[in-house]
Amino acid sequence: GENVEQHPSTLSVQEGDSAVIKCTYSDSASNYFPWYKQELGKRPQLIIDIRSNVGEKKDQRIAVTLNKTAKHFSLHITETQPEDSAVYFCAASIFKAAGNKLTFGGGTRVLVKP
Amino acid sequence: DVKVTQSSRYLVKRTGEKVFLECVQDMDHENMFWYRQDPGLGLRLIYFSYDVKMKEKGDIPEGYSVSREKKERFSLILESASTNQTSMYLCASSPAAMNTGELFFGEGSRLTVL
Repeated sequence: GENVEQHPSTLSVQEGDSAVIKCTYSDSASNYFPWYKQELGKRPQLIIDIRSNVGEKKDQRIAVTLNKTAKHFSLHITETQPEDSAVYFCAASIFKAAGNKLTFGGGTRVLVKP
Repeated sequence: DVKVTQSSRYLVKRTGEKVFLECVQDMDHENMFWYRQDPGLGLRLIYFSYDVKMKEKGDIPEGYSVSREKKERFSLILESASTNQTSMYLCASSPAAMNTGELFFGEGSRLTVL
């Protein structure tokens, strides 16, 4: 089955700096890569996703890049703000409409210091 | 606005007890999932269902069973709770659609087994 490794496990950045979280996956057939953000005491929520036919996707201050050859993908957060403090999870799957079985990484706790 | 509701936020049970975790979604989603969340391990899939009365094992089904008698409700059952099942349990739902893979999570049920 799929295995997703996520690094680093914790990340502390100064407000305004950039944050980068990296994930690697094992199954070359995986074609769907979402990122979820979980604020303290809250439910995980999707912040951005990318499919394997695209190399990069941006949404305001967040971007995701995918390298299919190397089987890794990354989340980039620019101009970090205190509200970006949360745990971030990457995931991978072979996309199916009927029961998309995501495998998650271990999570990265991001702390943005004012 | 999608709502996924888990019946119990906090539960304390004894070893050997039978435990029921209930999840209800109100958006007519075909897919429903049960994950457990443990620090450093991310979210691990226990079971999922893509239709009423249909179920498939996830990555860690041992010690768990599920029931989906109605489309909106997906129950997780621990037949005989053990201390290693102490965890946060997250239910999620998603539509059976090709244009989105977003999971909508409930707020979680924190189970402690003594």
